[in-house]
Amino acid sequence: SQQGEEDPQALSIQEGENATMNCSYKTSINNLQWYRQNSGRGLVHLILIRSNEREKHSGRLRVTLDTSKKSSSLLITASRAADTASYFCATVRGSARQLTFGSGTQLTVLP
Amino acid sequence: GAGVSQSPSNKVTEKGKDVELRCDPISGHTALYWYRQRLGQGLEFLIYFQGNSAPDKSGLPSDRFSAERTGESVSTLTIQRTQQEDSAVYLCASSLDRGLNSPLHFGNGTRLTVT
Repeated sequence: SQQGEEDPQALSIQEGENATMNCSYKTSINNLQWYRQNSGRGLVHLILIRSNEREKHSGRLRVTLDTSKKSSSLLITASRAADTASYFCATVRGSARQLTFGSGTQLTVLP
Repeated sequence: GAGVSQSPSNKVTEKGKDVELRCDPISGHTALYWYRQRLGQGLEFLIYFQGNSAPDKSGLPSDRFSAERTGESVSTLTIQRTQQEDSAVYLCASSLDRGLNSPLHFGNGTRLTVT
C-alpha cells in the first residue's frame, strides 16, 4: 500500500490563486519530500523537510509537517499556468533505503 | 553537468520478448533507483543500488525482472518474457544518498508498451 497519500487527487484553480495539497502517511518517517512531474517527463525535486522540522519555504512554495498527525501540506502561492503538473509527496521510513511515493495530486492552473 | 539519462525514451515490444532499459546516473551519485509508473498512478519502487552493497530488490514484481549496475555508473533493467501488464513508464533516479537526505534526480523515463 502507498505510504504517502495526496489529497485532493485533482485540483483546478485560476492563475494567481493559492494551491494547497496535502499528504498523509502511516508510519514514522525520517524526512518527507515533495516532487513535481510535468506530463511525460521525470520528477523534479521541490523541497525536503526533515522529521524535526515543522515548516520550510522555497520561493513560492511553503511546506509544513505535522508528525503528530502524520501529515504534510504543500502550498503554492500566486500560482501560474506553468505550475500545472502532478505533485507527489515521498517519505523515507525508518531504516528503509528507498523513497515511497504517493499517488499524486494533479494541479491545473487556468490562465 | 548532465542529468540522469535514460534510453530508449520509448520502446514498443511484442508480448513474450525481452527488453533492456538503460540508465546513466549523474556522475558521483552512489545511489541509483528504478521505479515503475503506470498511467495516472504514483511511482512503484523496483530496485535500489548503493555503491558496492547488495542491491535492495524488494520491489521487483516477479523473477522476470532483473537489474544490474556496473560500479557506480550505468544500470540496466531487464524484463524477460514481457507481458501486457508490464506496459508503463520506467523511471531511473540517482542521488548522493547521504542517508537519503539528499534529493533524487530523475531521468525522463522509458515508456514501454507491450503489444
